[in-house]
Amino acid sequence: NAGVTQTPKFQVLKTGQSMTLQCAQDMNHEYMSWYRQDPGMGLRLIHYSVGAGITDQGEVPNGYNVSRSTTEDFPLRLLSAAPSQTSVYFCASSYSISQASGRRPNTGELFFGEGSRLTVL
Amino acid sequence: AQSVTQLGSHVSVSEGALVLLRCNYSSSVPPYLFWYVQYPNQGLQLLLKYTSAATLVKGINGFEAEFKKSETSFHLTKPSAHMSDAAEYFCAVTRLSGGYNKLIFGAGTRLAVHP
Repeated sequence: NAGVTQTPKFQVLKTGQSMTLQCAQDMNHEYMSWYRQDPGMGLRLIHYSVGAGITDQGEVPNGYNVSRSTTEDFPLRLLSAAPSQTSVYFCASSYSISQASGRRPNTGELFFGEGSRLTVL
Repeated sequence: AQSVTQLGSHVSVSEGALVLLRCNYSSSVPPYLFWYVQYPNQGLQLLLKYTSAATLVKGINGFEAEFKKSETSFHLTKPSAHMSDAAEYFCAVTRLSGGYNKLIFGAGTRLAVHP
């Protein structure tokens, strides 16, 4: 099983460039999210989606855009990269209550991709 | 609002010694609590989770954690550290809201194991 797949694993950008981090999951999860990880700060939620066509902001959304046209894919876009966006980015997904009811309780367990390390010069 | 505090950003133990990583949470409703582990250059992997069943939760690789409501704690322990346990550990709390799960992470504790 592929689980959650992120690409690229590594990327170097110049200030002002744009790029898209790709995320795909094959578990039919309704909920998908993007986190960034910075030393001493744990993981901070950037954006999340509870289903195709539905997205919302997390703790640190500025400078990032997302869309959710299919259940499987949840790309993260940097429109004009800044050095402050140098970080490791993780995509994660999970079932929602509506998916889990009748099968098992939804506990909020997230399934993570392996991360994308982004450096902005 | 939920939050998580991990006491100690770095913990160092000898191989074979007890591992204790501390986590305190704040939550206005009974929480779901998690410990995740991150090995170098990898994503996060679930170690164990508390979902309001047994208060002592056993996870993978010999780790366990005890939910103590009176202390609002969910400390992670392992009786005997192994070199392969060296990693970063994250405590997290979630609350089900509107049909989805928002996971709030602590800042992480880096565990070093020395011979």
